[in-house]
Amino acid sequence: RKEVEQDPGPFNVPEGATVAFNCTYSNSASQSFFWYRQDCRKEPKLLMSVYSSGNEDGRFTAQLNRASQYISLLIRDSKLSDSATYLCVVNLNTGFQKLVFGTGTRLLVSP
Amino acid sequence: DTGVSQDPRHKITKRGQNVTFRCDPISEHNRLYWYRQTLGQGPEFLTYFQNEAQLEKSRLLSDRFSAERPKGSFSTLEIQRTEQGDSAMYLCASSDRGGAGGAYGYTFGSGTRLTVV
Repeated sequence: RKEVEQDPGPFNVPEGATVAFNCTYSNSASQSFFWYRQDCRKEPKLLMSVYSSGNEDGRFTAQLNRASQYISLLIRDSKLSDSATYLCVVNLNTGFQKLVFGTGTRLLVSP
Repeated sequence: DTGVSQDPRHKITKRGQNVTFRCDPISEHNRLYWYRQTLGQGPEFLTYFQNEAQLEKSRLLSDRFSAERPKGSFSTLEIQRTEQGDSAMYLCASSDRGGAGGAYGYTFGSGTRLTVV
């Protein structure tokens, strides 16, 4: 079983749609959680951290359920520029920031 | 110096050849990481340096792979006797924080794309 599991997609949505991505992780000792965005043939970039209380950054809302070991990302009012791969990431508390990535979920937003 | 620099951006090599990649981290970052990303997968951790000390190595890092960070600044990743399965994007990242803290300051370079033919 992979440490971080995501639906690879692709998710094809029209502009303006709301789309949700989910992710599960297997290591209950995971300490911190993130969503990264990766454009084609580019490096991953931090989109947002994820907290148990839920957090929002503009059109993006992230949620963590530690009991279920489940992480989500909601994108509202999708834009063409949101087309990318979204990587679910956990930080294992091994004494340093060892990031464990899911395979990523590909989002395609069409006009 | 506004980010993590990796060189070269692309490398095509014949099977069996040795290759070396370089990473220059953000200057004030004392932590440096190497990851490998194959097509359709997320990045996978390879190794971690704190200053010049290599503190963690993944099982993915076979004997053909070696990484160094001789003065605690730039790092090199060498692959000896390359195989087609080594074809991937090799990503370097640096940070100024350790432990279980946030990813703030954890910055990736643009990567070196290796193709072994």
